[in-house]
Amino acid sequence: EIVLTQSPGTLSLSPGERATLSCRASQSVSSSHLAWYQQKPGQAPRLLMYGASSRATGIPDRFSGSGSGTDFTLTINRLEPEDFAMYYCQQYGSSPNTFGGGTKVEIK
Amino acid sequence: EVQLLQSGAEVKKPGESLKISCKGSGYSFNSYWITWVRQMPGKGLECMGIIYPGDSDTRYSPSFQGQVTISADKSISTAFLQWGSLKASDTAIYYCARHARMGATLSYTDSWGQGTLVTVSS
Repeated sequence: EIVLTQSPGTLSLSPGERATLSCRASQSVSSSHLAWYQQKPGQAPRLLMYGASSRATGIPDRFSGSGSGTDFTLTINRLEPEDFAMYYCQQYGSSPNTFGGGTKVEIK
Repeated sequence: EVQLLQSGAEVKKPGESLKISCKGSGYSFNSYWITWVRQMPGKGLECMGIIYPGDSDTRYSPSFQGQVTISADKSISTAFLQWGSLKASDTAIYYCARHARMGATLSYTDSWGQGTLVTVSS
């Protein structure tokens, strides 16, 4: 199965700054079938991005995704207070779907 | 509106059995795969397996094969996750989630249940 490694484990930033989250796959993710989810404490994950760069319904445009093959990035421009949370990448290009270990974006 | 409503929190003893549920509404439940996801305390997300309610075709992730049983009853738009003999290490939150693309085994998930907390302790 494809192993996803997210870095950094924790990102300490201030509101208004830019966050850059990385997701690296152990083998190429077919057709850029890579998604990003946000999870806040006590809540279920929420879909942010799919197809590496497509925003899900209702997701603000300060969120953007890029990458292909084995290297993917989630960028959050101008962090808002509600953006401080855990973020997970997921590949769905091969079975089984797998998730990365997560990146915590915390307030500095 | 697509909704997945999961059954409530459970407290069980090691060795006991358990079946939790996930009821879908607001869409054609039979036509979308459902994924079950485990989140152990303070840890990340793990895909356990998937099921297609239309014909109960089920696929397990290798780590969970033989450890749990995934099933569905399309007549009541509900998917299930069950254990025959719980262990303390099964303590976790379990989520069901709908695949976004109709009929696709390989898909991201666009709707999630609220989660079911399972606590296994003697």
